[in-house]
Amino acid sequence: QKEVEQNSGPLSVPEGAIASLNCTYSDRGSQSFFWYRQYSGKSPELIMSIYSNGDKEDGRFTAQLNKASQYVSLLIRDSQPSDSATYLCAVTTGGGNKLTFGTGTQLKVEL
Amino acid sequence: EAQVTQNPRYLITVTGKKLTVTCSQNMNHEYMSWYRQDPGLGLRQIYYSMNVEVTDKGDVPEGYKVSRKEKRNFPLILESPSPNQTSLYFCASSFGGGSEQYFGPGTRLTVT
Repeated sequence: QKEVEQNSGPLSVPEGAIASLNCTYSDRGSQSFFWYRQYSGKSPELIMSIYSNGDKEDGRFTAQLNKASQYVSLLIRDSQPSDSATYLCAVTTGGGNKLTFGTGTQLKVEL
Repeated sequence: EAQVTQNPRYLITVTGKKLTVTCSQNMNHEYMSWYRQDPGLGLRQIYYSMNVEVTDKGDVPEGYKVSRKEKRNFPLILESPSPNQTSLYFCASSFGGGSEQYFGPGTRLTVT
């Protein structure tokens, strides 16, 4: 079992819709959770961080964390074509000093 | 401007020729890390450093060396590069191991 798993996609949503991206992780000791956005050929860009169970909202983005289910998600409201990118879920492992990434979900927002 | 810089951005080299990729941050971050990114495998951590003179292995450390003699710099050394080290490399930094990491622009390395 991979430490951090994401559906590779592509996930296609129409412009203006809600995009829902999901991630599961295996290390029950993980304490920090991050979502990064990566455009092709560019470096990962931090979108959201979440450290406790529940929802965290920032603009059009909402991160959701459920530690009991070992599940973290990202919702993107009012999706725009500029949101088309690969979204990486990252989870701290190894006692908190290592960061493990999922392989990413490709999101396509269609006009 | 707060940033992580890497040099060179692109490098083509031959098997066995030692090389160093530099990484520098101006955010006074304690934690720095190196990753490689390969199609289908995602980002994998090579080495990380919690502070000056403190480094530790990530998930794929074989064939790489690092050093942390100054807080702002964290070079990645390939003493004898091989073709399987052809990859896109990223340096990142943060205030601590569990904190948000900020990435450099990447170094695309090709070993022939």
